[in-house]
Amino acid sequence: AQSVAQPEDQVNVAEGNPLTVKCTYSVSGNPYLFWYVQYPNRGLQFLLKYITGDNLVKGSYGFEAEFNKSQTSFHLKKPSALVSDSALYFCAFNAGNNRKLIWGLGTSLAVNP
Amino acid sequence: DGGITQSPKYLFRKEGQNVTLSCEQNLNHDAMYWYRQDPGQGLRLIYYSQIVNDFQKGDIAEGYSVSREKKESFPLTVTSAQKNPTAFYLCASSSLAGGPWTGELFFGEGSRLTVL
Repeated sequence: AQSVAQPEDQVNVAEGNPLTVKCTYSVSGNPYLFWYVQYPNRGLQFLLKYITGDNLVKGSYGFEAEFNKSQTSFHLKKPSALVSDSALYFCAFNAGNNRKLIWGLGTSLAVNP
Repeated sequence: DGGITQSPKYLFRKEGQNVTLSCEQNLNHDAMYWYRQDPGQGLRLIYYSQIVNDFQKGDIAEGYSVSREKKESFPLTVTSAQKNPTAFYLCASSSLAGGPWTGELFFGEGSRLTVL
C-alpha cells in the first residue's frame, strides 16, 4: 500500500540551530509531495511542495525540502530554527492525481530558546 | 479577506444528538474536504466534494453526512451513529482550475467537538 511515514513523533532543537523533520514515502510512480504546518488549535497551512524539477524546493517561512528519489525521502529543513517554528508538521503525498492527499501522522517540533 | 470559515469553534453535544458543523469558503474553490484529527493519528478524510451536488466518501465516512448545495458551503453532520465523535474537525478547500491539481489545500481554523 502506498504510504508516507514520519519516523519521529517529536523533534527538539535549540533556537538558532538547523532543524530537520524527516519524511519517507512508499509510492509507485512519481508522487507529488507536500509539507504542511499546524500551530496549536489552528488549521493547517501549506509550506511547500515537490511536483517535478529541482530536487530542492523552497517554501514559506524559510523552510526548504529535498526530494531524494533513491532514498524515497522528502525531509523538511531550515538552516536556523526560531522558537516560533514550534508546531506540528505534516508530510503528505498525492499519487494518481485523484485530488486527495495521504497524510503522515505528524511530527511535533519544539524549538527551545 | 478570502478564506475558509468554520463554525462553531467549540461544540458540546450529548450522546444521541446529531450536530452540524459549518464550513464556508469565499475562495471560489471547486473542491472541499472534511478531515477528522485525533492525537497521534494524523488527518483522516471523512468526505470530499469536487463539484456542487456531488460528494464522495473518504476513509471514515460512517456516522457522518454532508451536502454540497452551494459552491461556497460544505456542512458536515455528525450523526448519533458515529460511535466516537469527540475530535477536532478540519474543513479544507482547493482549486481545481487551470491544469493539474496543485495539491495545495486551504484550511479553516477547525471545530472541536466534545461529546459529554
